[in-house]
Formats: sequence, C-alpha cells, structure tokens
Amino acid sequence: ETGVTQTPRHLVMGMTNKKSLKCEQHLGHNAMYWYKQSAKKPLELMFVYNFKEQTENNSVPSRFSPECPNSSHLFLHLHTLQPEDSALYLCASSQAPNDGYTFGSGTRLTVV
Amino acid sequence: QKEVEQNSGPLSVPEGAIASLNCTYSDRGSQSFFWYRQYSGKSPELIMFIYSNGDKEDGRFTAQLNKASQYVSLLIRDSQPSDSATYLCAVTGDAGNNRKLIWGLGTSLAVNP
Repeated sequence: ETGVTQTPRHLVMGMTNKKSLKCEQHLGHNAMYWYKQSAKKPLELMFVYNFKEQTENNSVPSRFSPECPNSSHLFLHLHTLQPEDSALYLCASSQAPNDGYTFGSGTRLTVV
Repeated sequence: QKEVEQNSGPLSVPEGAIASLNCTYSDRGSQSFFWYRQYSGKSPELIMFIYSNGDKEDGRFTAQLNKASQYVSLLIRDSQPSDSATYLCAVTGDAGNNRKLIWGLGTSLAVNP
C-alpha cells in the first residue's frame, strides 16, 4: 500500500445512521486533514491533526467527529447527518502543516 | 476575508498550444503557493509549488509568482488532451491567519485534439 488510502469510496446513509470514514497514509507524514468538497465551493478545511494532536477545528458541526489514534490513521465519525452534508470528503496528509498535500481518493457521501 | 480567485473557465486550447492559468490572492502576507490538478471524479493531485518570486519549471509546467502584484500563474507547454482537468490554486495565509491554506474554485481546462 502506498500513498493515502480512504475507505469507503462511496457511502449512502440515512439521517439517523452512524458511519465512519477511514483514512490511512503510508508516507510517514506528520500532518493529516479532513476536507469537504462540494460543487461550486472551494475546498473546505474541516480538521487538522499534527503529530496526532488536533490543531484545527474549522467550526465543524458536532455531527462530524474526528479521531486520530496515531500519525498514520485518521477517522471521521458521522452521526445524524443532514442532506446538505452530501459531498466528497477528502483526507490528505503532508510532512508538515501546509506543506504540499497528498490526497486520498475521497469518499463520495450521499445523505438521504 | 482572505480570498483566492481563479477564472472558472472553461479554458479551451488546441493540442500542442500553451495553456495559461491565472490565480490572484488577497493576502499580501502569503508565502507558499500551490497548483493542484483534479480530474473529473478524482481527488486533487499536487503538480507544482512555488515560494519565491519568479519562475519555476518542472517538465512542461512552469509556475510564475509575482508577490507585488499578488498573482501566481501556471503555464502548460505542449498541452495534451490528458491535461484536461480542473486546476486548483492554493495559497497559505499569513502568520496571523495561522498560515491556513486558502483554495480557489479552480479553472477547468479543455485541451482539444
């Protein structure tokens, strides 16, 4: 395995469901990120972890809950989402905060 | 509000031509500048970064930075149909903004055979 791996690739969930997105990086990077990408909007930073410590929460609703057990793994726990949360969720990593990123392939989330 | 602006396009160029993509930014304290390529249905991929005024070349790609005028551009020489994608410009904010990465909306490039 190389690069940044995200699972699942696609997810459809109801508003009452609980699901988790997983991200794993094999690059030895120290910083990991969650981004949301919606049509007609710039990439939205959600969370930043550096050396597995959260350094940024960009005013994200509490229905999104990140977890970073170590520098290689990042999770995004989803609970009682809204249809407007449907988007592409991207994980990324970098050697240091705001160095060039390597992105995972993303999870296309649809909330019904 | 810190902003990064790009012409959404689509920018259409014939195969073999030079494609010129432009990006302006509002934060005069910005220090790092990145270009990412995103194919339809895929995630962004870093193709160039530049920190100093002037040109930086990597293969068919050249990034140009002018901090005084607050713009950064990406030139793609000998454009190929495989270059057809959306190109995202990203800029780090100043230290007071915790050097957050600020993203443009992207420019769609179509290279016609």
